[in-house]
Parts: sequence; structure tokens; C-alpha cells
Amino acid sequence: ILNVEQSPQSLHVQEGDSTNFTCSFPSSNFYALHWYRWETAKSPEALFVMTLNGDEKKKGRISATLNTKEGYSYLYIKGSQPEDSATYLCALNTGNQFYFGTGTSLTVIP
Amino acid sequence: DSGVTQTPKHLITATGQRVTLRCSPRSGDLSVYWYQQSLDQGLQFLIQYYNGEERAKGNILERFSAQQFPDLHSELNLSSLELGDSALYFCASSPWGSGANVLTFGAGSRLTVL
Repeated sequence: ILNVEQSPQSLHVQEGDSTNFTCSFPSSNFYALHWYRWETAKSPEALFVMTLNGDEKKKGRISATLNTKEGYSYLYIKGSQPEDSATYLCALNTGNQFYFGTGTSLTVIP
Repeated sequence: DSGVTQTPKHLITATGQRVTLRCSPRSGDLSVYWYQQSLDQGLQFLIQYYNGEERAKGNILERFSAQQFPDLHSELNLSSLELGDSALYFCASSPWGSGANVLTFGAGSRLTVL
């Protein structure tokens, strides 16, 4: 079992603040890195898939970067809004299996 | 609606019983994954099927079994249920069995064992 770690476990920010969180993974088993957004009472939804070292992806106010050599990815949210409140999951894709982190729970306070 | 359908949404049963959870993948997807999410734990991979064949196995107990049928829907069977089996069970589907797939998740089946 591969260990995918996310930090922090939870985060409370004020509306308008920018924030970021980290996903760490063993770089030796890397095929792709996925980010999912999981709102309460819903199912996880795919945000980004990154495959190359140095990849940067952006969707609106949310962006992600990838460093496969050192085994980490950052997710950034610029100008957080209450609707950004969710758990953000990262998953290491080894090509055969997905290994999920336990997520970062983000609460944006209006 | 993600296109992945899971039934039932909620299920309450007693210890020792057996239940079946069902998943219909998104149209065109050949691979089905089952995950378990217990309290305060992340998504634990149970098993994956691709086009009817078992592809990968994770931390699936011997009391649990699954299969994928010719129409690509999948069933997860949980038997001799214990209190600790109470969890949210997610099904996800993807186009292929490996590679840079993107998983599409269903809404989950919440199992409560009393």
C-alpha cells in the first residue's frame, strides 16, 4: 500500500483569502496525479490530472502544480469563496491503481 | 448526475447479514472500481474490474466479493456483516483499465450495520 499524504487535514479561511494545500506521494510509483473536489453529500468530482513533472493546470480560481522528482503537488485557490468549501482529495495513479490521500477539508467563512 | 448509478443509497441491516450493492458505470466506461470510506478514513480501494475481468485487488476482506457482468454493471457482495463494515461504499468508473484514467464517482451507498 502506497502512502499518499495531504496537509493540512482541515483549513478555515475567510472569504477572499487565497490558500493552498499539499499532496505528497512516493515518486517511484508515479504515473499520474489526480485532484478531486468532494462536496458534502455529493460524490468526488475530478478537478485535474497531471502527468508531467512541472505540469501546471488551472480551472478558474483553482490551480495545481506537480513535482514528480520530489513527490509533491500543490493545489491553490485564489480568492476563496464559500462555494469552494469542500474536501479536496489527491490520488496517486500508478498506472494500475489509485491511492487516495485522506483529503484536506476546506471551510470558507463568509 | 455523474452518470454512475449506485443503489441503494442507504441500507440498514444487522450483524451477520448479507447485502448486495449495485453499480452501473457511466456509458462507455469499461472499468469499475469499488472504494470504502469509513469514519475518519480516506477512500480505501477494494477491487477493480475491467470489461468483466478482475483487474486489481486492494484491501478487500474475504467476506466481500464482487463481479462485473456482461452489461458492465457491477455488484459488491458483503456477507457476515460486522459493525465495522458500516461505511460509505463508492463505485467509480473509467474508460480503460489502466493509464491516466479519470475516475467518475457515483453518489455512494451508505451501509449501516446495527
